[in-house]
Amino acid sequence: DAGVIQSPRHEVTEMGQEVTLRCKPISGHDYLFWYRQTMMRGLELLIYFNNNVPIDDSGMPEDRFSAKMPNASFSTLKIQPSEPRDSAVYFCASSLLGGDAGELFFGEGSRLTVL
Amino acid sequence: AQSVAQPEDQVNVAEGNPLTVKCTYSVSGNPYLFWYVQYPNRGLQFLLKYITGDNLVKGSYGFEAEFNKSQTSFHLKKPSALVSDSALYFCAVRDIPGNTPLVFGKGTRLSVIA
Repeated sequence: DAGVIQSPRHEVTEMGQEVTLRCKPISGHDYLFWYRQTMMRGLELLIYFNNNVPIDDSGMPEDRFSAKMPNASFSTLKIQPSEPRDSAVYFCASSLLGGDAGELFFGEGSRLTVL
Repeated sequence: AQSVAQPEDQVNVAEGNPLTVKCTYSVSGNPYLFWYVQYPNRGLQFLLKYITGDNLVKGSYGFEAEFNKSQTSFHLKKPSALVSDSALYFCAVRDIPGNTPLVFGKGTRLSVIA
């Protein structure tokens, strides 16, 4: 398996623009997680899905953020409109939470810079 | 609620010396415990985990960790540090039972000096 695949790896945009980050989880994994990493706040869980259904989105910072998982092999995290304080590295991770202690497999991340 | 503490933001060690990265946890039941490593501009990579059984867990790249229930600790260790071990290390915990996500610590930056 190729692992968790994220795109784009780098995104530079201007304030007010819409940003869409994409994730393809490992085939067969039934959980998908979106994390944000910054120097100030460390690694934050934004939202996670089980079998394509959002389970907990309490970590989503505000209504400008939305996430979808239309099928088992694809998820998006959208920011609209983007702001400079959204600059961070966004990670997607997948797991089989019910098996193997729920070990997470992370993608390489999408580094977002909002000017 | 489950939580993890990594008391050191930064650990410096000379190459060849033993290293320890500390982690303590809090859970309501029994824990699943993990260590992950993050190299620059990369995602987090799994190092090792404790589920049950032997308190000393061996993982990738010569790392090991010791589960200590009485001290609620899960410190990461390596007998002889390499410069290539320099990275950001995260401890994580998940409560048992329950299908809850992993809770990560803030991370500890390890710097191994030649």
